[in-house]
Amino acid sequence: QQQVKQSPQSLIVQKGGISIINCAYENTAFDYFPWYQQFPGKGPALLIAIRPDVSEKKEGRFTISFNKSAKQFSLHIMDSQPGDSATYFCAASRDFGNEKLTFGTGTRLTIIP
Amino acid sequence: KAGVTQTPRYLIKTRGQQVTLSCSPISGHRSVSWYQQTPGQGLQFLFEYFSETQRNKGNFPGRFSGRQFSNSRSEMNVSTLELGDSALYLCASSLGPRDRASPLHFGNGTRLTVT
Repeated sequence: QQQVKQSPQSLIVQKGGISIINCAYENTAFDYFPWYQQFPGKGPALLIAIRPDVSEKKEGRFTISFNKSAKQFSLHIMDSQPGDSATYFCAASRDFGNEKLTFGTGTRLTIIP
Repeated sequence: KAGVTQTPRYLIKTRGQQVTLSCSPISGHRSVSWYQQTPGQGLQFLFEYFSETQRNKGNFPGRFSGRQFSNSRSEMNVSTLELGDSALYLCASSLGPRDRASPLHFGNGTRLTVT
């Protein structure tokens, strides 16, 4: 059973545009929602994370929006740059722990000049 | 500070063999988790160790096992390899389960190919 659904599978955005990736979860016990960025040949790296007591968190050009009632959260990348081209994974875990993460299936983001 | 180190980076094995993968966490990190990454299934949790004890286990068959040593280094073992075990195996470390602010830091993985 896939507990975190991620869309789209791939995304092409023009340089300077806004990239938006969406995730939906099923388990209401989830209380920690991180986003990871992965470049080819590398392991995933934590980008930004949010807990359900806030609806939005911003770090630089990256923003997480969280809708607890809809059980959805999304990543917005403002002013997208070619260096942002990577695969992005949303994830979720419970008990505020981050050792056992349930990941989405990933979004391959390509930023074109 | 050195990151999470996984060895070897690449491994080719044949069906039926067994394999051992190694992970050295970031210095001071006591929790180690293992994930399997495949194009079809994405990232799936295998197990997590803290203080040499397995705290969590994912939905993988018993052929997949792991352990953690007193210095927090960890190994995972896959016995009786199947073609479907071909994947990137990722190790991640964190300070520990009680440190909720501690994010997971992933290594670059071991690419296992089963022929």
